[in-house]
Amino acid sequence: AQSVTQLDSHVSVSEGTPVLLRCNYSSSYSPSLFWYVQHPNKGLQLLLKYTSAATLVKGINGFEAEFKKSETSFHLTKPSAHMSDAAEYFCVVTSNFGNEKLTFGTGTRLTIIP
Amino acid sequence: SAVISQKPSRDICQRGTSLTIQCQVDSQVTMMFWYRQQPGQSLTLIATANQGSEATYESGFVIDKFPISRPNLTFSTLTVSNMSPEDSSIYLCSVVPGQGIGGGTDTQYFGPGTRLTVL
Repeated sequence: AQSVTQLDSHVSVSEGTPVLLRCNYSSSYSPSLFWYVQHPNKGLQLLLKYTSAATLVKGINGFEAEFKKSETSFHLTKPSAHMSDAAEYFCVVTSNFGNEKLTFGTGTRLTIIP
Repeated sequence: SAVISQKPSRDICQRGTSLTIQCQVDSQVTMMFWYRQQPGQSLTLIATANQGSEATYESGFVIDKFPISRPNLTFSTLTVSNMSPEDSSIYLCSVVPGQGIGGGTDTQYFGPGTRLTVL
């Protein structure tokens, strides 16, 4: 069994300030974790993924996430927000074994204040 | 990765009618999936589209309502049948490139989605 909790449904930050989107997971097996971004009226784009290699994962557009097994967390960060980062972000978990289905979090809407 | 297209990109339909959504991939893939994203909600897996056999449906979704075809390794369709306003959603297909089976280290890539409004 697996689940994912995105702790904030909405986050607002000023342009140029750091971004933190929080995600906690639960998985019976060694997990794979993903962050996807969905811009308005667009499909989902993969930002980054963790698959049991390095715990600090770097993704596109300056985003990164750190896998912390002791805290069962996979928070997404970016040092400096840009207006183009405004979007919906989904944390996703699956298992490293076989074809376990993707489980999506409920999403965090990121708003950038000019 | 994979390049995925969906048709139509959006549609407005009358209740009681049916709509077929197409998903085309630029390369052969083993695994294709269909998801629904209701307004303001996250994604829910409808079914796995299996090439050469019936789709595998998730709990709460049935073939009579959401028939799926998968005639080859690059194409699939999802039909939303006998629509009601509750079916208004974004429908997305996704694929795992190559011969990946999904889950684990395999990354799913998503199409742009079909935005359906039922009046």
